[in-house]
Amino acid sequence: SQTIHQWPATLVQPVGSPLSLECTVEGTSNPNLYWYRQAAGRGLQLLFYSVGIGQISSEVPQNLSASRPQDRQFILSSKKLLLSDSGFYLCAWSVIGTTDTQYFGPGTRLTVL
Amino acid sequence: AQSVTQLDSQVPVFEEAPVELRCNYSSSVSVYLFWYVQYPNQGLQLLLKYLSGSTLVKGINGFEAEFNKSQTSFHLRKPSVHISDTAEYFCAVSRSNDYKLSFGAGTTVTVRA
Repeated sequence: SQTIHQWPATLVQPVGSPLSLECTVEGTSNPNLYWYRQAAGRGLQLLFYSVGIGQISSEVPQNLSASRPQDRQFILSSKKLLLSDSGFYLCAWSVIGTTDTQYFGPGTRLTVL
Repeated sequence: AQSVTQLDSQVPVFEEAPVELRCNYSSSVSVYLFWYVQYPNQGLQLLLKYLSGSTLVKGINGFEAEFNKSQTSFHLRKPSVHISDTAEYFCAVSRSNDYKLSFGAGTTVTVRA
């Protein structure tokens, strides 16, 4: 069966520091991968999605970036965090080539102080 | 682009009472529809989905939803709720030729004894 991992689970970082969140998927090949952010009291905002290694699409202009160095690994990064980057970050995967269900990881709670 | 409106941000309900969470969407093309549940500090879990076929969809934990194309709605129902159903519920829509989900703002359900 497929599983999706995210780490760290929680993170507290100062403004201006760098960020690296990692997501890995097991049990499937060539998945679509997604990064979402959930700010307090708001719904989910799609940040990036990827349909293959090295293929990243950005949905929202911001100081975040994403990379997919391996088929089942998706990384969210920032060079300098802003206060507004605080939130709950969720990674998800789906079967490539379809618009079927997205399956979500457990999330990373990021607090920028 | 499609959009999703969840008409109730908060729904308090007593244990063993029925609950209905309303979701309306707008899209000019065919869509797939989803309901997800999120327990505190966890990722999203799929409750049910409508891709095609019967408009009444049954999901996990006793939930069901009905797709109404003429009213562009996909309301979620449960005839008798439990304390453990306390969570946030998200309606989501994807276009039939797209990889991306659009989420509603969420409905917080609080079940009281």
